[in-house]
Amino acid sequence: AQSVAQPEDQVNVAEGNPLTVKCTYSVSGNPYLFWYVQYPNRGLQFLLKYITGDNLVKGSYGFEAEFNKSQTSFHLKKPSALVSDSALYFCAVRGDSSYKLSFGSGTRLLVRP
Amino acid sequence: GAGVSQSPSNKVTEKGKDVELRCDPISGHTALYWYRQSLGQGLEFLIYFQGNSAPDKSGLPSDRFSAERTGGSVSTLTIQRTQQEDSAVYLCASSLAGGSSYNEQFFGPGTRLTVL
Repeated sequence: AQSVAQPEDQVNVAEGNPLTVKCTYSVSGNPYLFWYVQYPNRGLQFLLKYITGDNLVKGSYGFEAEFNKSQTSFHLKKPSALVSDSALYFCAVRGDSSYKLSFGSGTRLLVRP
Repeated sequence: GAGVSQSPSNKVTEKGKDVELRCDPISGHTALYWYRQSLGQGLEFLIYFQGNSAPDKSGLPSDRFSAERTGGSVSTLTIQRTQQEDSAVYLCASSLAGGSSYNEQFFGPGTRLTVL
C-alpha cells in the first residue's frame, strides 16, 4: 500500500518570506515523489519530481523539494513567496514497481501581500 | 505542443441520466488515467490505460462507471444513471509511458459534473 499525508490544510505566508508545504509518504520499495499545483478551475500542473540522486530537487517557478528518506518526507519549499503562488498544492507518490499515483489531500497556500 | 484536453468543461445533468466525458491525451503518450476530485477531497484514481493492455479498472466506484480508449488515443468515461454523489471534477491525465516508468503525468483542465 502507498499513501501520502499533507498535514496542513492551509499554509499562510507573507510575500517575500520563505514557504514550506509539508508532505510525508509511505510506500513499498523506492519512492517516486511528485508535487503538483492546482489553480482555481484548472487541472494540475507538474512542479517537480524526485526519482533518485540528489535529495534537493529543483522545479518550476523557483520551487524546490527536499527528499528525506529517514523521515519519509518530501517537503516543498520556496525561498521567497509570491502572491501568485497562492494555489492548492498536491504531493503524490508511487513505488518503483507501481504505476498508480497516490495523492495527498492537498494544502492550500495563501500568500498575503 | 497541445496539452491534454477534456470536454465538456462543464456538464449539468439530471439524476438518472447518462453522461459521457471525453479526454484527448498528449500525442504520443501511451498511458492515460482518469481521476475524480470531489469537493474538499484529494484525487481519487478511477482507471488506467496503457497501450493495448487491458485497463486497470480497480478504482471505478460502481458498475455505473465505464471507460474506453479507442485507437490508443481518445478516451471516454461514461457514467450511467447518474447520482448526486457523482458530482465532482473528473480529471484526465496522460504520460509518455506507464508501468514502472517515472514519467510525470500531465493533467487536463477537467470536466466539472453537476448532477441535480
